[in-house]
Amino acid sequence: QEQLVQSGAEVKKPGASMKVSCEASGYTFAGHYLHWVRQAPGQGLEWMGWINPSTGGTNYARDFQGRVTLTRDTSISTGYMELTNLGSGDTAIYFCARGPSLNFDFLRFDPWGQGTLVTVSS
Amino acid sequence: NFMLTQPHSVSASPGKTVTISCTRSSGSIASGYVQWYQQRPGSAPTTVIYQDNERPSGVPDRFSGSIDSSSKSASLIISGLKTEDEADYYCQSYDSSGWVFGGGTKLTVL
Repeated sequence: QEQLVQSGAEVKKPGASMKVSCEASGYTFAGHYLHWVRQAPGQGLEWMGWINPSTGGTNYARDFQGRVTLTRDTSISTGYMELTNLGSGDTAIYFCARGPSLNFDFLRFDPWGQGTLVTVSS
Repeated sequence: NFMLTQPHSVSASPGKTVTISCTRSSGSIASGYVQWYQQRPGSAPTTVIYQDNERPSGVPDRFSGSIDSSSKSASLIISGLKTEDEADYYCQSYDSSGWVFGGGTKLTVL
């Protein structure tokens, strides 16, 4: 069964950085884009970017460029999302999700990780 | 890039049919497949429709999707509403810049 398991909740101070991990199992990790999405409290879903686990290539949403870095370790089928210079507006649940295959079929985000709550507070 | 606009909320009674719209701000609605996700409180989203009108296995055929190029809109249609369908629903599409979610629609089954 395909599954993504994320790291646990974090509390960060303004100006700090955060790094969330996302471990994949049940499918070929390098065969699908890995996406990151966040959801602020009571708000909608916001796409942050993707990484191609095979090449390490990335694409970031404009609103996060310069602050977000997506990386991966294919030896342990794990992706990482690092966000720097945190502010109160970054308090959110952060999700990873398996995206399309590298040949762009399987056009959906499925499965999703369970989400990681990151709270930014002084 | 573009935006996807959804109604903030819709409501209907059990057994009825509800339609949730998703309108693309620029470019053709057909230029990128549309997906629909259901999100219940405290849970991650799950796919109910992908590639405009395809249903993942396990999703009941009460859920269907369509697109209308003339109105630049996609629709999620849920028939035979059940109380368990009460959730937030998000549309999603993409272009060469990246992926976009609609703002979400809260479905209340009265």
